[in-house]
Amino acid sequence: AQRVTQPEKLLSVFKGAPVELKCNYSYSGSPELFWYVQYSRQRLQLLLRHISRESIKGFTADLNKGETSFHLKKPFAQEEDSAMYYCALTPSGGYQKVTFGTGTKLQVIP
Amino acid sequence: EAQVTQNPRYLITVTGKKLTVTCSQNMNHEYMSWYRQDPGLGLRQIYYSMNVEVTDKGDVPEGYKVSRKEKRNFPLILESPSPNQTSLYFCASSRRTDHTIANYGYTFGSGTRLTVV
Repeated sequence: AQRVTQPEKLLSVFKGAPVELKCNYSYSGSPELFWYVQYSRQRLQLLLRHISRESIKGFTADLNKGETSFHLKKPFAQEEDSAMYYCALTPSGGYQKVTFGTGTKLQVIP
Repeated sequence: EAQVTQNPRYLITVTGKKLTVTCSQNMNHEYMSWYRQDPGLGLRQIYYSMNVEVTDKGDVPEGYKVSRKEKRNFPLILESPSPNQTSLYFCASSRRTDHTIANYGYTFGSGTRLTVV
C-alpha cells in the first residue's frame, strides 16, 4: 500500500524566512512524487514534479529515497505563498492510484 | 484554453435524490479521476478511469458510480446521496503515460461543493 504523510497541518512563518513543508511517503516500488498548491478558493494546481527537478515560484523539492521524503523548500517566504500544499505519490509510469497527503496550510505572516 | 470543467459549482440536495456531477476536459487526456476533499482528510480518490470504458475504484468508492463513454467526459453519479457525502469534489485529468515517460501530473477542475441534507 502507498501512503503519503504530511505531519504538519499548519505552518506559520514570517515573510522572508525559510520554508520547509515536510512530506514522507511509503511505497515499496519506484514512486513519482508531486507537490500541488491550492490558493484560497481556487482549484489545485501542480506546483512541481520530482522527475523534472524544476524550481517553480522559488520552491524546490528533492526526492530522498533513503529517508523516503520529498520536502518542499523555499529560502525566503512571500505573502503570496500562503496556501494549502499537498504532496502526492503515484507509482512510476502508472496511474492506478494517486495518493495525496492530508495537506499543510502555509501561513506567511507579514 | 485547456481546462477541466465541472458542473455545478454548488449543489444542495436532499437525501436519496439521485444526482450527477459532470466533468469534461478539452485536452484529449486519457486519464480522469474523481476526488473528494474533506477537512483533515485531504483528497481521497473515489474512482478513476484509464481510458474510455475503463474505470476502477479508488479509496472511497462506496455510494458513487462513474461512467466513461467518451474520452472527454467522466460524470460522477450519486444514486442515493446521504449526508456523509457532503463534501467538496474535484475532477482531474492527465495524459496517460507508459513506464518510459514520466507522469505529467493532474489538471484539476474548479470543484463542486455538495451539501446533502
